[in-house]
Amino acid sequence: EIVLTQSPATLSLSPGERATLSCRASQSVFNYLVWYQQKPGQAPRLLIYDASNRATGIPARFSGSGSGTDFTLTISSLEPEDFAVYYCQQRYSWPPITFGQGTRLEIK
Amino acid sequence: EVQLLESGGNLVQPGGSLRLSCAASGFIFKNYAMNWVRQAPGKGLEWVAGISGSGDDTYYADSAKGRFTISRDNSKNTLYLQMNSLRVEDMALYYCAKAPDGGKNWNNWFDPWGQGTLVTVS
Repeated sequence: EIVLTQSPATLSLSPGERATLSCRASQSVFNYLVWYQQKPGQAPRLLIYDASNRATGIPARFSGSGSGTDFTLTISSLEPEDFAVYYCQQRYSWPPITFGQGTRLEIK
Repeated sequence: EVQLLESGGNLVQPGGSLRLSCAASGFIFKNYAMNWVRQAPGKGLEWVAGISGSGDDTYYADSAKGRFTISRDNSKNTLYLQMNSLRVEDMALYYCAKAPDGGKNWNNWFDPWGQGTLVTVS
């Protein structure tokens, strides 16, 4: 089973700042890495698939990068609605499909 | 608009059974793989099971294998999860989620997700 480790666990930033979230895999997942956003009381929402492809309707301020074992989700300039929990997910080796434990992005 | 509506969550005793349903609309259901993902209260996401568009291929997390059965009725546009021998650790919000395609080796990202149905084991 591939283990995904997200860091930091919590990130405190202000609107307008740049956010950089990390996801590290226990073995290479090539580019088969997905990012989701989850707000309180809501279902997760797909942001990025296959490391760098933005899903339909996702603003350009969200970008993904990386390959192999190290991946990054970047939010270029935080909007108030971006404060949420972010999860990475690997789809390279399954079953099982595995998720990271999440990064909570909170307002500073 | 793609919509997924889960139902069937309830309070059940340890060792009991439940069947969850997910009613789909807004897309050609039989063409897409579907998955169940759960989230324990205050915790992260855990994939539970997936099924191809035809229903011929199913996959499970180890935690679900032998106790849970994923199935679908393409004539009713509905996904199911039969859960037997429930444990306290199965208590979670259960989401159904659509994959972007439906063949045997479907691409496994999830979009969209339903709003979830709550399973309480106590």
